Amino acid sequence: GENVEQHPSTLSVQEGDSAVIKCTYSDSASNYFPWYKQELGKRPQLIIDIRSNVGEKKDQRIAVTLNKTAKHFSLHITETQPEDSAVYFCAASKNDYKLSFGAGTTVTVRA
Amino acid sequence: KAGVTQTPRYLIKTRGQQVTLSCSPISGHRSVSWYQQTPGQGLQFLFEYFSETQRNKGNFPGRFSGRQFSNSRSEMNVSTLELGDSALYLCASSRMPNTEAFFGQGTRLTVV
Repeated sequence: GENVEQHPSTLSVQEGDSAVIKCTYSDSASNYFPWYKQELGKRPQLIIDIRSNVGEKKDQRIAVTLNKTAKHFSLHITETQPEDSAVYFCAASKNDYKLSFGAGTTVTVRA
Repeated sequence: KAGVTQTPRYLIKTRGQQVTLSCSPISGHRSVSWYQQTPGQGLQFLFEYFSETQRNKGNFPGRFSGRQFSNSRSEMNVSTLELGDSALYLCASSRMPNTEAFFGQGTRLTVV
């Protein structure tokens, strides 16, 4: 089955700096790559997603890049703010409802 | 419209007991997936149901089972509970494949 690895497991950044989280996947048939944010005590919520026919997608301060050849994708957060502190999960899927998640990255934004 | 609803929110059970968790998806969503979340392990896929049929199953022992009803509501059952089953159990519903999965608030299960 699909195996998704996520790095780093923890990330501390100064407010205003950028944060980058990287994920690799094993199944070349995967074609949908969402990112979820989970704040403390809350449910995971989708923040951005990308499909395999696109190399990059941006939404305000958040961007995701995908390299299908290398089978990796990354989340970029620019101008980080305290409300960006959370656990971020990457995931991969292939035309079905099952999501294979990475282990998560705990992001702390220092004021 | 109402989001994904899970009941109960918290459960404390004793080793060897069984437990049933419930999930009501967003209206119109026919797929319900279940995940186990533990510290350091992220979200582990348990199984997925669509139109009352289990279509995908993760690498969990047979003690973990589920079902889906005709109204798309789903239940998950864990029998012969072990201490290691303590976790947050999340369900998610989606309208279509490769689209946003909406999560419930989860059921926190503690096995003592």
